[in-house]
Amino acid sequence: AQSVTQLDSHVSVSEGTPVLLRCNYSSSYSPSLFWYVQHPNKGLQLLLKYTSAATLVKGINGFEAEFKKSETSFHLTKPSAHMSDAAEYFCVVTLILTSNTGKLIFGQGTTLQVKP
Amino acid sequence: DGGITQSPKYLFRKEGQNVTLSCEQNLNHDAMYWYRQDPGQGLRLIYYSQIVNDFQKGDIAEGYSVSREKKESFPLTVTSAQKNPTAFYLCASSIRPAGYGYTFGSGTRLTVV
Repeated sequence: AQSVTQLDSHVSVSEGTPVLLRCNYSSSYSPSLFWYVQHPNKGLQLLLKYTSAATLVKGINGFEAEFKKSETSFHLTKPSAHMSDAAEYFCVVTLILTSNTGKLIFGQGTTLQVKP
Repeated sequence: DGGITQSPKYLFRKEGQNVTLSCEQNLNHDAMYWYRQDPGQGLRLIYYSQIVNDFQKGDIAEGYSVSREKKESFPLTVTSAQKNPTAFYLCASSIRPAGYGYTFGSGTRLTVV
């Protein structure tokens, strides 16, 4: 079965310090994993995705994530937080439904607070 | 620019009324989806469609209906049978094969008054 667990519901960092948002996954086959960001009352924006290519994935806005199969983890990091990074972040795994449809399985989300 | 357009952004409904949320995409994607988001929770799948004139129930389809008469359009109707319809609704589409790339609309916030 496919599932994701985001280990922190809320993370608070100071501007300019590193960001770490943790995600563990469970998958019965080689997964496609995503990180999405959501600002208040907005849709979801894709930060990055892992689809069995390089294990270190670079995304937009300076974010990156490393796929670690042995640890079943896909943690999101950023070297230096910016005030505009404050948002809700979702770790997502895909459950394949048909050849051209897949259901996104969402974690519960992590709220990132960035303090001046 | 290609993308997904959801309308309206905010919608108010009286109890007992049906309402329809619009979702249009110009990405030429075959697959389209409707998700529901409640406060403090991730998204849950309501319905999905892999091609025109075909759609399947997701995890929480009760009280909802959809149609897929055109590739570009996937409207969602929230019926009076939906017991707790107040939520944020997101439409998405994806390219083939499944698992490679999803695009989301900006959402519709539905409030029952």
